[in-house]
Amino acid sequence: KAGVTQTPRYLIKTRGQQVTLSCSPISGHRSVSWYQQTPGQGLQFLFEYFSETQRNKGNFPGRFSGRQFSNSRSEMNVSTLELGDSALYLCASSLIPGSSYEQYFGPGTRLTVT
Amino acid sequence: AQRVTQPEKLLSVFKGAPVELKCNYSYSGSPELFWYVQYSRQRLQLLLRHISRESIKGFTADLNKGETSFHLKKPFAQEEDSAMYYCALKDTDKLIFGTGTRLQVFP
Repeated sequence: KAGVTQTPRYLIKTRGQQVTLSCSPISGHRSVSWYQQTPGQGLQFLFEYFSETQRNKGNFPGRFSGRQFSNSRSEMNVSTLELGDSALYLCASSLIPGSSYEQYFGPGTRLTVT
Repeated sequence: AQRVTQPEKLLSVFKGAPVELKCNYSYSGSPELFWYVQYSRQRLQLLLRHISRESIKGFTADLNKGETSFHLKKPFAQEEDSAMYYCALKDTDKLIFGTGTRLQVFP
């Protein structure tokens, strides 16, 4: 079974631009979560989607948004990029939401904002 | 507020020595805790969860509600245990991670 895939793997953008990151969950998994990983803040939860609905949202500004498609693939968008948005963005999928179901992480997208 | 604290950024031990990676949490309710591991150039992956009460790769972790701790232990460290370890707390289907502890096991 293929793992969680994320595209692109690396991205360089300039301040003020916007970016879209993509996550394809493991086949059959319907829940997708996004996390931001930085050296200073560690791993921080962004949002979670299940059945095309956002179920949970972390403490991030409205510039961060996401969506999920009917095939469970998810995208996250960051508008008006700031230098502080440079980070590794991880997505994780699970069968359905709930602690009984393990979250499987993708390799991440490394975003650099210059 | 829900929080996970890993007080050590780096823990260095020699092969064969005991290891204890500390994790403390703050949570109002019955916590569900996990340890995740990230080996060099690999994805973040689940190591163990407290509800399973299992031992994975020789590691165990016991939930101590009185001390609000979930320390990860291994009696004899191996070089292949060198990695980044994250303690995580499940809060309404989202994971709250600690800042991580890098474990270095020297030969």
